[in-house]
Amino acid sequence: DIQMTQSPSSLSASVGDRVTITCRASQSISFYLNWYQQKPGKAPKLLIYSASSLQSGVPSRFSGSGSGTDFTLTISRLQPEDFATYYCQQSYSISFGQGTKLEVK
Amino acid sequence: QLELQESGPGLVKPSETLSLTCTVSGGSISSSGYYWGWIRQPPGKGLEWIGSIYHSGSTYYNPSLKSRVTISVDTSNNQFSLNLSSVTAADTAVYYCARGGDRLRAFDIWGQGTIVTVSS
Repeated sequence: DIQMTQSPSSLSASVGDRVTITCRASQSISFYLNWYQQKPGKAPKLLIYSASSLQSGVPSRFSGSGSGTDFTLTISRLQPEDFATYYCQQSYSISFGQGTKLEVK
Repeated sequence: QLELQESGPGLVKPSETLSLTCTVSGGSISSSGYYWGWIRQPPGKGLEWIGSIYHSGSTYYNPSLKSRVTISVDTSNNQFSLNLSSVTAADTAVYYCARGGDRLRAFDIWGQGTIVTVSS
């Protein structure tokens, strides 16, 4: 099984900040890495697929990078609606990271 | 636009089988290039992929759940279903159905989720 490890598990930030979340795979997954945003009581929303491709309708302040085992999700300038939990997911064999909760500082 | 809706019992007894159905509307479940999946989330915890099925009927399951999971598709009713046998309290979760795409290799459309509690 491929294990996905996100860091940090939680993060405090302010509106306007630049935020980076990392995701590490236990073995190489090429660029088969997706990022989701989940708000309380809601289904996850796809943000980034194939490591760096922005899903249609997602604001350009979200970006993804990486390949192999190390990946990052960056939010360039935090907006109030961005406070949520973020999950990475490898689509090589399908599994999710444990999540990163982004909270207001 | 395409929508997914989960349905099924909200309460299941321990050792019994959890059965859920996902109804697809606004599009065909038989469309090429897509697969259909089940993902769950225990209260206060993260997401766990349960399994996926292609319109052809090919299935792929999480190895940790494989012995208890069956996913099937009913193209005539535009639905796919999840059966999870021998449930315990650890199977209490919100269960989501979702569409995956061969091009994106990601779940791009999700149902709203349905909570299933395992309790006697």
